[in-house]
Amino acid sequence: SQQGEEDPQALSIQEGENATMNCSYKTSINNLQWYRQNSGRGLVHLILIRSNEREKHSGRLRVTLDTSKKSSSLLITASRAADTASYFCATEGVRGASKIIFGSGTRLSIRP
Amino acid sequence: KAGVTQTPRYLIKTRGQQVTLSCSPISGHRSVSWYQQTPGQGLQFLFEYFSETQRNKGNFPGRFSGRQFSNSRSEMNVSTLELGDSALYLCASSLAGVPSSYEQYFGPGTRLTVT
Repeated sequence: SQQGEEDPQALSIQEGENATMNCSYKTSINNLQWYRQNSGRGLVHLILIRSNEREKHSGRLRVTLDTSKKSSSLLITASRAADTASYFCATEGVRGASKIIFGSGTRLSIRP
Repeated sequence: KAGVTQTPRYLIKTRGQQVTLSCSPISGHRSVSWYQQTPGQGLQFLFEYFSETQRNKGNFPGRFSGRQFSNSRSEMNVSTLELGDSALYLCASSLAGVPSSYEQYFGPGTRLTVT
């Protein structure tokens, strides 16, 4: 079973537009991370946001966390063709040690 | 610094056989985690090792096992392979003992096909 569920499952936008992906999870968390995966390859860590943080920025990425709603969003501004990838959120519950659970992912396609 | 390396990159095995996959973490990283990725189940946590000790285990049958060596290199073994074990197996290393508090660095994965 997966802790996080991304929404939408797939997203196609025009280059230059903003892309927003959402992640919902079920149990209380210590922190939440977002990863990117290009076509069946390894994952690349994008950003980590802790449970006591509400918003974090990294370049064109903006992540928000709402622990009351058990949800997070990833915003990619001014999208580029190179942003085409699958995006996953990953959570670690408060209970238990270092077990990270990934969501099902959002497939993002950037149209030229 | 060299990244996480996994060998082999591709593997084809027959049902009933066993397989061993290898992962070399980034130098200085002591935590190694393994994940299985399939189209149907997505990314699932297999286990995590820190300082040669298994600290956490996912919900996989006992056919899946692993170990970590004193140099932090890790291996995972799958015995009595089943068709459903066909997947991309990803290894990730992190600096500290709690992977979720530090970013994980993933290897390119080993694509295992069971026929």
